[in-house]
Amino acid sequence: DVKVTQSSRYLVKRTGEKVFLECVQDMDHENMFWYRQDPGLGLRLIYFSYDVKMKEKGDIPEGYSVSREKKERFSLILESASTNQTSMYLCASSFLGGYTFGSGTRLTVV
Amino acid sequence: GESVGLHLPTLSVQEGDNSIINCAYSNSASDYFIWYKQESGKGPQFIIDIRSNMDKRQGQRVTVLLNKTVKHLSLQIAATQPGDSAVYFCAEGTGNQFYFGTGTSLTVIP
Repeated sequence: DVKVTQSSRYLVKRTGEKVFLECVQDMDHENMFWYRQDPGLGLRLIYFSYDVKMKEKGDIPEGYSVSREKKERFSLILESASTNQTSMYLCASSFLGGYTFGSGTRLTVV
Repeated sequence: GESVGLHLPTLSVQEGDNSIINCAYSNSASDYFIWYKQESGKGPQFIIDIRSNMDKRQGQRVTVLLNKTVKHLSLQIAATQPGDSAVYFCAEGTGNQFYFGTGTSLTVIP
């Protein structure tokens, strides 16, 4: 069964910490995405990547960066976590079609 | 970004009844549409998709209808079961990138 795996289900971090959210897919997909999901706002695209070492800003990239050193791994980085980054983070991958999502990481910044 | 919205944020149905969840989209160029189901604490899961050259597609207990004239998408679930309780949201897009609605929460009453 194909999978998108997010390394943590729940994380609690302090304001100002640097946070890494990891995502790995085993489908050899070119495209990977990071979204955040907040009540009433749906899924909002943070960053995406169509190839190794390639990255593009999505709709809400401020406060985030990404890394795609290998095809299967797409990391989301919060350089200095803030309380307004408390959210559910979803990673997805795709190839010419719909997305396969990971289970999500619920991040709380205190 | 694109505007993808749902007509109702919540829907309650009796077990065994049919459910209809609606979605409006705004981009006439979108040619691929997907419905996702998201259970509490989990990532979104693919349910069914439809391309713009079709107006109806059926799966197991689910049917998606596409009306391109009014840019409307619906998901019909037959004989709704307690396990169908979840948030459902639609996605519209072209190529590799999709835009998501905010979701409708379906509650099945036993």
